[in-house]
Amino acid sequence: GESVGLHLPTLSVQEGDNSIINCAYSNSASDYFIWYKQESGKGPQFIIDIRSNMDKRQGQRVTVLLNKTVKHLSLQIAATQPGDSAVYFCAENIGGSYIPTFGRGTSLIVHP
Amino acid sequence: KAGVTQTPRYLIKTRGQQVTLSCSPISGHRSVSWYQQTPGQGLQFLFEYFSETQRNKGNFPGRFSGRQFSNSRSEMNVSTLELGDSALYLCASSFESGVGTGELFFGEGSRLTVL
Repeated sequence: GESVGLHLPTLSVQEGDNSIINCAYSNSASDYFIWYKQESGKGPQFIIDIRSNMDKRQGQRVTVLLNKTVKHLSLQIAATQPGDSAVYFCAENIGGSYIPTFGRGTSLIVHP
Repeated sequence: KAGVTQTPRYLIKTRGQQVTLSCSPISGHRSVSWYQQTPGQGLQFLFEYFSETQRNKGNFPGRFSGRQFSNSRSEMNVSTLELGDSALYLCASSFESGVGTGELFFGEGSRLTVL
C-alpha cells in the first residue's frame, strides 16, 4: 500500500555540518507534511510543517523542501549540533484525513 | 502549561493479562490520539478520540480499545496481551485534529513489556 518512507535509516555528521534528511511519499493526495524529532526516552516533538501549495518553508536552523513532482520531502538542518542527535520522522496527511501517517524514521548522529 | 502526561511510564505484564494506560492531554486540547511504536513497525496509529467519541481507528485488533472522558483525559486498554504487544505506547493531543490543522503534542510514552 502507499506509505511514507525514508531513504536513509542512519545519518552521521560532524558538528557544524549541514544535515539533510530525506523522505519519500507515494500518495499524491497528501497535502500536508510535518517533521518530528524524537530524542531518546521522549515522545516526538514537532519541528516544522509545510502544505502542498508551498515548495519551501524555513524555521530556525531548519528548512523543509517539498518536491511534489517526485513526491519527495527533505529536512535540512544548518550547523548541526550534538543536541540535534535524534530520530527524525516525516509524516503526511492525506487530503481529507485527520490522522497523519508517519514514516519509519531516520536516526541522526552528530559527532562533536 | 503542562504537557501531555502518560502513566505509567513503564510496566511489565505477562501474556494473557490486560493493561490500561492513561493519558492527560494539554489543557484545552480536545483531540487525543494513541500510537504504538516498535523498532520494526515504527509509529502505528491506534485510534483518535474527540469530545469523548472515537473519530478515527487504525488497523489493530479488537483487543485494543480506548475511551475519552469529559475532561478529555483518555485511557487505552489492551486485553489478552501477546508478546508482540511489547512497545512504546504514545499519546498525543491537539487542540483540534481537523484536516491538516497542525501539530500533535506527544507525551513521553508508556513502555510496555510483555513476558
